[in-house]
Amino acid sequence: EVQLVESGGGLVQPGRSLRLSCAASGFTFDRYAMHWVRQAPGKGLEWVSGITWNGANVAYADSVKGRFTMSRDNAKNSLYLQMNSLRIEDTALYYCTRSYPSGPRDAFDVWGQGTMVTVSS
Amino acid sequence: QSVLTQPPSVSEAPRQRVTISCSGSSSNIGRNAVNWYQQLPGKAPKLLIYYDDVMPSGVSDRFSGSKSGTSASLAISGLQSEDEADYYCAAWDDSLNGWVFGGGTKLTVL
Repeated sequence: EVQLVESGGGLVQPGRSLRLSCAASGFTFDRYAMHWVRQAPGKGLEWVSGITWNGANVAYADSVKGRFTMSRDNAKNSLYLQMNSLRIEDTALYYCTRSYPSGPRDAFDVWGQGTMVTVSS
Repeated sequence: QSVLTQPPSVSEAPRQRVTISCSGSSSNIGRNAVNWYQQLPGKAPKLLIYYDDVMPSGVSDRFSGSKSGTSASLAISGLQSEDEADYYCAAWDDSLNGWVFGGGTKLTVL
C-alpha cells in the first residue's frame, strides 16, 4: 500500500524550531518529487515547499523562505521539513504529498494524514 | 487572498450538475496545468483531476475538468450527498516559482 506518514508536530513557542518527518512506503521513493502542503485551522491549502527526486532542487513559498529547510534521505525513504523561527501564523496541519507522475510541477496524488503544528506562547 | 480565485461556496440539488470556477493569470493557469482536489470533512485532500482534464484511476467519471485561457472549471454531474466537500484548484506559478491554490469552494448538496 502506498503510504505517507508524517510525524514531529506539536506545540512550540514563537521563535523556536521544529523538525517534521515523513516516512514513505509502498512505492519507489527516489523516483518522485515531494512536497509539504499546510492547512491552517478552518482555512484553505497552502503549498509550503517542494523538492526534486534527488534533492538537488528545492523551492519554497515566500511565507517560509529563509526559515524552513526541506530535505530528503532516499536511503531511508524519508522527507523532512526543518522549521526555524516559527511564527504564530505557521500554525497548521502539515501534509506530506507526492508528485504524480513524478516531477515537481506535477499533481499531488498521495497525501499523508498530516501532523499538527501549533505555535503559541 | 489566494492567487487563484474560486467561489467560496456553491450548492445544488441531488442528481443535478454543478460547476466550480477557478480564475488565475498568465503566470499560472495561462501557462501551466490545473489540478483539482477534493477534501472531505476531516480528511486529507484527494486528487480529482490533473493536467487540466485527466482523471486518476479510481475517480468517478462524474467529475470532469476543463480550461480556457486563464480560467479553469470543475464539473460534477449526478450530484450525490457524498460529494459534499471542499474543492481546491491548484497550478504552478512561473512568477512565484511555486504552487498556488485557490481559496477553496464548499459544495453543499441540497
